[in-house]
Amino acid sequence: EVQLVESGGGLVQPGGSLRLSCAASGFTFSSYWMHWVRQAPGKGLEWVANIKKEGSEKYYVDSVKGRFTISRDNAKNSLYLQMNSLRAEDTAIYYCGREGDCSGTRCLAIDSWGHGTLVTVSS
Amino acid sequence: IQMTQSPSSLSASVGDRVIITCRASQNIWTYLNWYQQKPGRAPNLLISGTSTLQSGVPSRFSGSGSGTDFTLTIGSLQPDDFATYYCQQSYNSPWTFGQGTKVEIK
Repeated sequence: EVQLVESGGGLVQPGGSLRLSCAASGFTFSSYWMHWVRQAPGKGLEWVANIKKEGSEKYYVDSVKGRFTISRDNAKNSLYLQMNSLRAEDTAIYYCGREGDCSGTRCLAIDSWGHGTLVTVSS
Repeated sequence: IQMTQSPSSLSASVGDRVIITCRASQNIWTYLNWYQQKPGRAPNLLISGTSTLQSGVPSRFSGSGSGTDFTLTIGSLQPDDFATYYCQQSYNSPWTFGQGTKVEIK
């Protein structure tokens, strides 16, 4: 069974930093692209970033470029999101997601999601 | 790429046929996915690539479209279907979601 478990969320002051982790199990982590998606309280979904299987390619939404860094450790089956210079508008539940594999090619859809971790940016 | 869903919300009865539309601001071919989200839960992938139903998703769900205009159809609404639905394009980065369509009980 695929499992994704996020951790590391919490309350942080504006300008502060936080590192989110996502522990993966039940599948060969190194064979999948991985994503972070967030959802502000009462709002819709916003894709944040993704990372290629071996970590060589990374993409971000414009609003977090230069502040957030996605990374992975395939030996530890873990995905990370380093968040710096946090702003009030970064307050959200952050979900870790696995992109599906379609017979060896990218499915370009997130087929498994964690339960999310809440990040609150406030003074 | 901006994704616009309509309506933003709708009220429907069990057994109704429900259609949700999603429009992309540019051609995204068929790189369009649909997710269902229930309160307090993570999203769940229903349909990928415009029309490919995910394993375990009831056949009353279907998707169609190409280019800029897409639809999600629920053939006969069931009590478990009351939720918020999101379209999402994966044609290019950054991936973007529609604002969501909340399906409520009439």
